[in-house]
Amino acid sequence: DVKVTQSSRYLVKRTGEKVFLECVQDMDHENMFWYRQDPGLGLRLIYFSYDVKMKEKGDIPEGYSVSREKKERFSLILESASTNQTSMYLCASSRPDTGANVLTFGAGSRLTVL
Amino acid sequence: AQRVTQPEKLLSVFKGAPVELKCNYSYSGSPELFWYVQYSRQRLQLLLRHISRESIKGFTADLNKGETSFHLKKPFAQEEDSAMYYCALSETSGSRLTFGEGTQLTVNP
Repeated sequence: DVKVTQSSRYLVKRTGEKVFLECVQDMDHENMFWYRQDPGLGLRLIYFSYDVKMKEKGDIPEGYSVSREKKERFSLILESASTNQTSMYLCASSRPDTGANVLTFGAGSRLTVL
Repeated sequence: AQRVTQPEKLLSVFKGAPVELKCNYSYSGSPELFWYVQYSRQRLQLLLRHISRESIKGFTADLNKGETSFHLKKPFAQEEDSAMYYCALSETSGSRLTFGEGTQLTVNP
């Protein structure tokens, strides 16, 4: 019963490439989030969205952009990948009425930039 | 800005021993605190939240506003408790979460 699906588990890209990370949730959640997870640094919020076509910068938005054209889909875009963007990327969603901070996470997308 | 600190990156205990994972935060208001857990090859998931005041898998956590801490405790650790644990804070209910650095707990047989 997978509820938050990240389309790519592993990606290897070259410096300068454009990278798309896709996330889809089937729980009708309003809120969606993108984090990156790095050893010793924990989870850091990149971008989030509380509604369709709405986006807010998180703590580390530089080098990233997002798109939310439909409620169930939240895409993370790396316009020009760099080696310091090698990381595990986690997508999450939540509902404001049952606990906006009770997040349901995807399995993660491990990106390596060469 | 709020900050969450987990001073131990690694914690190792023996099965049956008590375990405490430390979490300290800096925030002047009334925060909402959480513990999230990631077992090996599984997704990150909510373990407990302070407003629920419930015990999950034998774990409890008490919010100490005086010491600005939210330590996670279990009286008798089990091998299946081995996982990465993250403490997280939100300023108010519904605002975004700030996570700590994480503590990797290993429970040895």
